[in-house]
Amino acid sequence: AQSVTQPDIHITVSEGASLELRCNYSYGATPYLFWYVQSPGQGLQLLLKYFSGDTLVQGIKGFEAEFKRSQSSFNLRKPSVHWSDAAEYFCAVTVYNTDKLIFGTGTRLQVFP
Amino acid sequence: DTAVSQTPKYLVTQMGNDKSIKCEQNLGHDTMYWYKQDSKKFLKIMFSYNNKELIINETVPNRFSPKSPDKAHLNLHINSLELGDSAVYFCASSRHAGGDYGYTFGSGTRLTVV
Repeated sequence: AQSVTQPDIHITVSEGASLELRCNYSYGATPYLFWYVQSPGQGLQLLLKYFSGDTLVQGIKGFEAEFKRSQSSFNLRKPSVHWSDAAEYFCAVTVYNTDKLIFGTGTRLQVFP
Repeated sequence: DTAVSQTPKYLVTQMGNDKSIKCEQNLGHDTMYWYKQDSKKFLKIMFSYNNKELIINETVPNRFSPKSPDKAHLNLHINSLELGDSAVYFCASSRHAGGDYGYTFGSGTRLTVV
């Protein structure tokens, strides 16, 4: 069965520092991969997605993610974090024709001034 | 214009009551979903409908009954509410079933059962 692991439950960074949130998935074929952000009390906003093609994907708010098949990873990065990036980040995977979006357990990002 | 809208945003009710959550999307998508986010923020799919037809029904108590009057609407009715039903319920839509397009989520309905 497909699964998604986000090893870091909670990350704290200083404003202006770089950020990398880790995501590993488990599936034999190439999955469709997503990163969502959830601000406190808000819904889920799509940051970026990977279906195929270029393994480095650009998203909104200055985020990017890189798909590495050999490591079964899809890590999210941002070169310089802003205080408004503090939120919960979810990695998710779906596989063609299953139509189930499977989420990781989330990583809570705190940003200090 | 909200793409996927859910009502109500907050719902507080007593155990044993019956309640409904409504969802509407104006994206012209064929497929709609209900997800549940528990107190630990874990998100899990409950149901999906494609063109008013149920295609995914996860292991959900039969007190939960989705209804799709048309492909733009997917409502969730919950009978005999229990304390454990307290969660945030998210509606989502996708252009079509299959997972290869992406998903748009509503802002969630926070259900509290007391």
